[in-house]
Amino acid sequence: EVRLVESGGGLVQPGGSLRFSCAASGFTFSSYWMSWVRQAPGKGLEWVANIKQDGSEKYYVDSVKGRFTISRDNAKNSLYLQMNSLRAEDTAVYYCARIIAAAGNYAFDMWGQGTMVTVSS
Amino acid sequence: DIQMTQSPSTLSASVGDRVTITCRASQSISSWLAWYQQKPGKAPKLLIYKASNLESGVPSRFSGSGSGTEFTLTISSLQPDDFATYYCQHYNSYPLTFGGGTKVEIK
Repeated sequence: EVRLVESGGGLVQPGGSLRFSCAASGFTFSSYWMSWVRQAPGKGLEWVANIKQDGSEKYYVDSVKGRFTISRDNAKNSLYLQMNSLRAEDTAVYYCARIIAAAGNYAFDMWGQGTMVTVSS
Repeated sequence: DIQMTQSPSTLSASVGDRVTITCRASQSISSWLAWYQQKPGKAPKLLIYKASNLESGVPSRFSGSGSGTEFTLTISSLQPDDFATYYCQHYNSYPLTFGGGTKVEIK
């Protein structure tokens, strides 16, 4: 079965750090771009970051540049998001998503179940 | 950044209705547009990519059209399982952005 399973969310104080991971199974993880997308409570979807198959290219939304780092370990079929200097506005459900395997396409064809991050004192 | 504007934000419809949702981009995105369906407490599900390509396993009552700056998602005959929120997303350039969503409610 093709799956993405996030883990590592939780409650963190403003200014704190959190790292969570996404375990992929059922497909050749190293062949796909991967992404993080978030959704604040009751709000719409916001793309956060993308990473190329070999990790050589990374892209971020401006609001997280310099604070968040996307990475991957293809040997472990895992995607990561390191979040530093967290702010209240980073509170959201974070989804791991696979990018469709077609040249030029950056649509998300598979999603994890999401992990909740709450930034609050 | 390219802004994506969806309309309407809420839509009330009945089972069997034909439903159309519009998504406008603030500048041309060619056909680099996707549509997603999201139900409460669940992850989004890809319906359409590259404006008009139906994702595998998605019912044929869903269709997408458009190019440039105007796009539509059409549900030809609304089914009970289709009551959800729908989002468009462009991927013409970074940052990738989503529309604000259209909630399809039961009339």
